[in-house]
Amino acid sequence: DVKVTQSSRYLVKRTGEKVFLECVQDMDHENMFWYRQDPGLGLRLIYFSYDVKMKEKGDIPEGYSVSREKKERFSLILESASTNQTSMYLCASSLYGRTPNYGYTFGSGTRLTVV
Amino acid sequence: QKEVEQDPGPLSVPEGAIVSLNCTYSNSAFQYFMWYRQYSRKGPELLMYTYSSGNKEDGRFTAQVDKSSKYISLFIRDSQPSDSATYLCAMGKAAGNKLTFGGGTRVLVKP
Repeated sequence: DVKVTQSSRYLVKRTGEKVFLECVQDMDHENMFWYRQDPGLGLRLIYFSYDVKMKEKGDIPEGYSVSREKKERFSLILESASTNQTSMYLCASSLYGRTPNYGYTFGSGTRLTVV
Repeated sequence: QKEVEQDPGPLSVPEGAIVSLNCTYSNSAFQYFMWYRQYSRKGPELLMYTYSSGNKEDGRFTAQVDKSSKYISLFIRDSQPSDSATYLCAMGKAAGNKLTFGGGTRVLVKP
């Protein structure tokens, strides 16, 4: 019954490494999103995509990039990991539409620690 | 100032009590209002969805939206220990699919 799968639950990387976080959904959703969740700051939108090969910046895109080569897969890339990118990363997907009628389906999250 | 404000708690209640959660927001363009529940080490899951003002009930859960006051609430009746989780409010505008989330309220229901 898995719908949104994030490739890793826990990840430890070194400062300066290039990090790839993968997200796959099996619901044929058009929209996909990457958020990070930090205590006291809630969920903050990093990037989102409404279609294949399409991407838009969210509220905190600095230090991140994304890739969406296939409809079901949305990858978050940390170009050069830094300690302030230690966080819980959540991927979500939703049906296409001009309004958020259906809400999001979230993955279980990837807890990334940068040392 | 954040667009969506939510008391972080924790909110501790005895089993069987009513849990009352709320969020305030500043952007009058929000038209869609949702509540998500997040258990520890899990992703959030959608609990309730409401469009514009009014009430919506689903089992033990009631969501209320007061757009004139820019205030939304979630009530959980007959609370159970399994309701212990973090509850996040989320809001969307009339066009587009982005949601803006509150910071979450941690709830603990004690047996």
